Amino acid sequence: AQKVTQAQTEISVVEKEDVTLDCVYETRDTTYYLFWYKQPPSGELVFLIRRNSFDEQNEISGRYSWNFQKSTSSFNFTITASQVVDSAVYFCALRLDTGRRALTFGSGTRLQVQP
Amino acid sequence: DVKVTQSSRYLVKRTGEKVFLECVQDMDHENMFWYRQDPGLGLRLIYFSYDVKMKEKGDIPEGYSVSREKKERFSLILESASTNQTSMYLCASSLKGGGTRKKYFGPGTRLTVT
Repeated sequence: AQKVTQAQTEISVVEKEDVTLDCVYETRDTTYYLFWYKQPPSGELVFLIRRNSFDEQNEISGRYSWNFQKSTSSFNFTITASQVVDSAVYFCALRLDTGRRALTFGSGTRLQVQP
Repeated sequence: DVKVTQSSRYLVKRTGEKVFLECVQDMDHENMFWYRQDPGLGLRLIYFSYDVKMKEKGDIPEGYSVSREKKERFSLILESASTNQTSMYLCASSLKGGGTRKKYFGPGTRLTVT
């Protein structure tokens, strides 16, 4: 069975600091998809990125970047120059290409950005 | 814009009551999901449905049932609510297909069972 681990329960940084959220996954499948979601205080999950297992290119979107490394089964998320509005719970998730269509989520990392 | 709505943001029920949580999506999505979110555990799948009247158990279906009579609506039912079902419940939907399909989440229902 697949599993997603986010070892960091809570991170606190000061505005403008860079911060990296770790995500490690386990699966025996060769085709899978990795996701990051943001859950602000309002509660609704906001989709940030999807990556498939064949595409190990790192991605940058504004202040956000993602580092996917199959060799270490990791899909880490970095926020550069953090802002107070980045404060949220961030979830990493995994979905297989076959069988169940649901996501397997990590336990989440609460990021607190202090002004 | 895809919209997934849930009938209540906050709900307080008594132990033993039958509870209905409703979820509606407006984008003709085939797949719908119910997750439960608890601190330190992330989101865990309760049930999902990939078509009208079709349903499959997720990781923690015990104590829950679901109903999908219409494509746009997916209901989660707590037959006899218990205090350990106090949690945040999130509904999601997506188009049918493999892992590339983006999943859209509702705002969540925070259920307290006293």
